[in-house]
Amino acid sequence: DAKTTQPPSMDCAEGRAANLPCNHSTISGNEYVYWYRQIHSQGPQYIIHGLKNNETNEMASLIITEDRKSSTLILPHATLRDTAVYYCIVRVAGTASKLTFGTGTRLQVTL
Amino acid sequence: EAGVAQSPRYKIIEKRQSVAFWCNPISGHATLYWYQQILGQGPKLLIQFQNNGVVDDSQLPKDRFSAERLKGVDSTLKIQPAKLEDSAVYLCASSLAPGQGTYEQYFGPGTRLTVT
Repeated sequence: DAKTTQPPSMDCAEGRAANLPCNHSTISGNEYVYWYRQIHSQGPQYIIHGLKNNETNEMASLIITEDRKSSTLILPHATLRDTAVYYCIVRVAGTASKLTFGTGTRLQVTL
Repeated sequence: EAGVAQSPRYKIIEKRQSVAFWCNPISGHATLYWYQQILGQGPKLLIQFQNNGVVDDSQLPKDRFSAERLKGVDSTLKIQPAKLEDSAVYLCASSLAPGQGTYEQYFGPGTRLTVT
């Protein structure tokens, strides 16, 4: 799996959009970008994934650059409950292979 | 839909003792994973099962760790004997089998192991 680079921490005011960046410059053509988050004392939770088109679901939006070397996870209206560690992971498409976690970005949402 | 269940949630043991963790995946999920998460790090895969067969156990310390998934449903992870460096959260996850759709992994709450 390709390596990803994320900032170690970010802050966001409640109600504002949280934009979490991820670099994956060595991503292969058959690899998806996945995002998970881990709230304190819980297991990781799936958020969203994409290949090359932008994706949106009820939790977040995923913007992938045209060259696929980076992506941004957007939480449109962050709440205190979004405080968590966010992991960006690349993974071969069409497999149930393992997730290779880095150290992620610790997002702190404040009042 | 019930999530991934794990027990116990917490366990404290002395070094050289043995311990076992149990996982019940989401119904219908053929793939089961055990991850180890040391404080301050992301989870690391220990072993992956497809039904009751092992797909990947390359990161499992086989001299002390063992895992089984009898009948392709529940799974147990055992450590014998435990070392201080085994102190971590042990996470179980499950997903659909290849060819059955997308492959998001659903995680249980984890078991926090402290070895003293």
